[in-house]
Amino acid sequence: GDSVTQMEGPVTLSEEAFLTINCTYTATGYPSLFWYVQYPGEGLQLLLKATKADDKGSNKGFEATYRKETTSFHLEKGSVQVSDSAVYFCALRLWSGTASKLTFGTGTRLQVTL
Amino acid sequence: SQTIHQWPATLVQPVGSPLSLECTVEGTSNPNLYWYRQAAGRGLQLLFYSVGIGQISSEVPQNLSASRPQDRQFILSSKKLLLSDSGFYLCAWMVGLAGNEQFFGPGTRLTVL
Repeated sequence: GDSVTQMEGPVTLSEEAFLTINCTYTATGYPSLFWYVQYPGEGLQLLLKATKADDKGSNKGFEATYRKETTSFHLEKGSVQVSDSAVYFCALRLWSGTASKLTFGTGTRLQVTL
Repeated sequence: SQTIHQWPATLVQPVGSPLSLECTVEGTSNPNLYWYRQAAGRGLQLLFYSVGIGQISSEVPQNLSASRPQDRQFILSSKKLLLSDSGFYLCAWMVGLAGNEQFFGPGTRLTVL
């Protein structure tokens, strides 16, 4: 079945460090790929997305490129801030009948310190 | 603009008691609606989705059920809660094609004692 694998956390970085959170997927067909962020005590917010191979999603300094050849969608940011501390979820979406369903990874907790 | 509401925000219930969590969406019509559960140390698991009033699809067999009595209302229920039902429950909605995002509610944290 469809699945998403993320690197296990927690990831602890100092402010202004470079961030990479790895994400790989297995899917039949051609999924859309997403990164969601969950701040403490809140629901999920879409961070960025890519709907086809070689697309690059970007938002708030975060980037991820849809790599079909390596089935990956790694999240990167050049300089993290304390306010980026959150849990990050990689997800894919395929259509099933008339509904669109998201398959999530287990999430990676990021802790940024001063 | 569209908004999604969930209540209650937190809930503590004894084992064997019933459950009803409610989700409502404003500002859109005919949304697809979703219930997810986030258990401690695990990712998000899709529990149910609905493409219309009275139409419910279950993703995993479990102690829970869902109903959609109105276009923008989605309810998650249980007749008798288990300890394993504890978790963070998220409702989401979406309209449009596969590239569109799902919008999530603020969640309900359920603790079963």
